[in-house]
Amino acid sequence: DQQVKQNSPSLSVQEGRISILNCDYTNSMFDYFLWYKKYPAEGPTFLISISSIKDKNEDGRFTVFLNKSAKHLSLHIVPSQPGDSAVYFCAASVEGNTPLVFGKGTRLSVIA
Amino acid sequence: GAVVSQHPSWVICKSGTSVKIECRSLDFQATTMFWYRQFPKQSLMLMATSNEGSKATYEQGVEKDKFLINHASLTLSTLTVTSAHPEDSSFYICSARDLSRGASDTEAFFGQGTRLTVV
Repeated sequence: DQQVKQNSPSLSVQEGRISILNCDYTNSMFDYFLWYKKYPAEGPTFLISISSIKDKNEDGRFTVFLNKSAKHLSLHIVPSQPGDSAVYFCAASVEGNTPLVFGKGTRLSVIA
Repeated sequence: GAVVSQHPSWVICKSGTSVKIECRSLDFQATTMFWYRQFPKQSLMLMATSNEGSKATYEQGVEKDKFLINHASLTLSTLTVTSAHPEDSSFYICSARDLSRGASDTEAFFGQGTRLTVV
């Protein structure tokens, strides 16, 4: 039973346009959400996070939106760049020093 | 920023042998580290939680006698895959959080991962 779901396995976007990656979760106890970027044969690299008390967090080109009532979050990348091409994982956790629960990832391809 | 270092980055071993993977927190102390496993085109699945000075906690379906975890110090956790078989071939990743910054909602830092191939 997947607690974190990324229903789009892949996404292609033109350079300069907006990339929107979506994530849904089922566990209402989750209160901290993160996005990671991953290249093959490397560990995930942290991108941006959001606490459940917020509905938006922005860091440069990256913005994460959280809709708690819908148990949905999204990552917006604008403008998209070819270097953004990677697999993006959505992750969630409960408060404390607890492990992350990951979605299956979305492969983003930014086309020049 | 906080760094987690994992070694080796890749290893090839023969069936029946054991392989040790090290995970170090380089600039912070980690009382807890997490070990994940990733199969091709799959998500990162939590295998076990490594606790400094006590026994690891394993997720359902993970054999504790096969995947030995030792967390002997506040900066080092090791995962030993014992009597490895080809089906153990996978990408293993460790993770830790730097809680010294005070907040419980901090990002987890990941090691570089270890690609294990058992032949």
